Amino acid sequence: GESVGLHLPTLSVQEGDNSIINCAYSNSASDYFIWYKQESGKGPQFIIDIRSNMDKRQGQRVTVLLNKTVKHLSLQIAATQPGDSAVYFCAENSLSGYSTLTFGKGTMLLVSP
Amino acid sequence: SAVISQKPSRDICQRGTSLTIQCQVDSQVTMMFWYRQQPGQSLTLIATANQGSEATYESGFVIDKFPISRPNLTFSTLTVSNMSPEDSSIYLCSVLGGRTTDTQYFGPGTRLTVL
Repeated sequence: GESVGLHLPTLSVQEGDNSIINCAYSNSASDYFIWYKQESGKGPQFIIDIRSNMDKRQGQRVTVLLNKTVKHLSLQIAATQPGDSAVYFCAENSLSGYSTLTFGKGTMLLVSP
Repeated sequence: SAVISQKPSRDICQRGTSLTIQCQVDSQVTMMFWYRQQPGQSLTLIATANQGSEATYESGFVIDKFPISRPNLTFSTLTVSNMSPEDSSIYLCSVLGGRTTDTQYFGPGTRLTVL
């Protein structure tokens, strides 16, 4: 399928390592944040979300950290697998207003066996 | 999450023609959106498809170029009109609602190439 990561920053890791993908968001009024995974030739897939009243949320092998002071979001993937290779996007929204998402630039994660 | 399908999955079109992309959801949803993803780029919101009224367009996108229909709570179309090579992109629909009210879920996308 068509690549979506031609001009994106890239993180290369070995299988089994932990991966950390970072995102700086722009709107201090944003109160809801989502991480999406986009594999080549597919639409973005929801991974995990977090609201602004939390600073950490854990899922299966993934953790999202939110630092509102510096407007920073990170996605941690434990024991990274080759199937985790994809482009990862953060998105921000303000739930109190018009419900539209603003996407970050994206990071390509490459996992080597 | 809702199951979202798009047609066509990909197409190659000639300059000056128009293409209509369909988005079908397996359940009624409150809101539907259309995004564009240019090669190697992130997603940009084109418009919100409103059921029973005109779509709400984001800055830089106009109805004459991207007419949108939403006749009911499970279906929407986006037309890319008078295409040029700069319109070559992935076009994605997303939905908000159904089982969850805060999270947007995306369709598989339509990959458009304009020659």
